[in-house]
Amino acid sequence: TQLLEQSPQFLSIQEGENLTVYCNSSSVFSSLQWYRQEPGEGPVLLVTVVTGGEVKKLKRLTFQFGDARKDSSLHITAAQPGDTGLYLCAGVLGSQGNLIFGKGTKLSVKP
Amino acid sequence: DAGVTQSPTHLIKTRGQQVTLRCSPKSGHDTVSWYQQALGQGPQFIFQYYEEEERQRGNFPDRFSGHQFPNYSSELNVNALLLGDSALYLCASSFGHNTEAFFGQGTRLTVV
Repeated sequence: TQLLEQSPQFLSIQEGENLTVYCNSSSVFSSLQWYRQEPGEGPVLLVTVVTGGEVKKLKRLTFQFGDARKDSSLHITAAQPGDTGLYLCAGVLGSQGNLIFGKGTKLSVKP
Repeated sequence: DAGVTQSPTHLIKTRGQQVTLRCSPKSGHDTVSWYQQALGQGPQFIFQYYEEEERQRGNFPDRFSGHQFPNYSSELNVNALLLGDSALYLCASSFGHNTEAFFGQGTRLTVV
């Protein structure tokens, strides 16, 4: 059983469209991180959210942490081909230092 | 400032063999974590090293072992390789108990 469920698994959209990726769990996380991974590379940290209800913006990307700290979303406005990649959410349980990853959402933005 | 570096980048091994993967953390980082990423999956936590000791371990068999050196670099050893061990092995470094991790580019291991 996957502790962190990401949806959708695959997403193919046209340049300029908006999209939202979801990350859900029945567990409460002390923090949650979003990473982007390109083929043949390691994941690159985009943002960390810590407080329930927190919203962070990174240019066209908006990240939200659920009030109960069990879920998170990533919204991309006016997607560009450069946004193409695998988006991974990763949670931290309690005081443990390891990251628990979802399976990822593979995003393809066509010009 | 060099980020996290891993070697080798690619490796092909035969079933039953042993393999050693290496990782140098980002400058200033003292904690190294290893993850296994199978094709189409998210990374799975193997173990974490801090102050040359294994601090945490994920759900991986004893065939997976590691080491951290005084300069904070680390090795991942896998014995008695199985076909199912084929994956991208990622090393991530961080500082102390900070959970924000910087990942290397990974080592692609293929077991034939």
